[in-house]
Amino acid sequence: QQQVKQSPQSLIVQKGGISIINCAYENTAFDYFPWYQQFPGKGPALLIAIRPDVSEKKEGRFTISFNKSAKQFSLHIMDSQPGDSATYFCAASMDYGQNFVFGPGTRLSVLP
Amino acid sequence: EAGVVQSPRYKIIEKKQPVAFWCNPISGHNTLYWYLQNLGQGPELLIRYENEEAVDDSQLPKDRFSAERLKGVDSTLKIQPAELGDSAVYLCASSLPEDRGNTGELFFGEGSRLTVL
Repeated sequence: QQQVKQSPQSLIVQKGGISIINCAYENTAFDYFPWYQQFPGKGPALLIAIRPDVSEKKEGRFTISFNKSAKQFSLHIMDSQPGDSATYFCAASMDYGQNFVFGPGTRLSVLP
Repeated sequence: EAGVVQSPRYKIIEKKQPVAFWCNPISGHNTLYWYLQNLGQGPELLIRYENEEAVDDSQLPKDRFSAERLKGVDSTLKIQPAELGDSAVYLCASSLPEDRGNTGELFFGEGSRLTVL
């Protein structure tokens, strides 16, 4: 019940295209759903996050869509750029960092 | 503001040898986490500290792993003896207290990559 499932495992997108990564969770007690971006040799860094009281959050080219009834959320990267090539992790937590669980990651490659 | 600092960045040891990793969190962050990240996988929690108290160590393999955070600031994670399967990246993260604007974000260091031969 603590698991967060993520797909696809890898994704190749042309420059300017839309990248979409999906996640699903089971534990309805989760109340914070972030996406982390990780470049090789670096630690994960927060990209964007959402709480379950809204269905969508947009920051620049990055949008989270949240479906509470389906227990699913997704990351959309518009106008994908080669600099977006990284590994993306969805995560879920409750109570301000307790029980923080990460998905297995999606390796995104944006071709120039 | 300095980020989470970890050392060493890389460590290569023979199996059965001991190894230690050090983490200095962001100033004012009372919650500290140690995560294990295997190649191609997401981070997995090993232990979480609130100040100097380990509040969640349920995933820490206590037969060979130990951790301490004596003064509620920096922390050390030790493995003794190391096994081949311990080869991974050990990530440290920290976060603000709930009463000081914690948004839920974890701030990660760059990690310590361990190779056990």
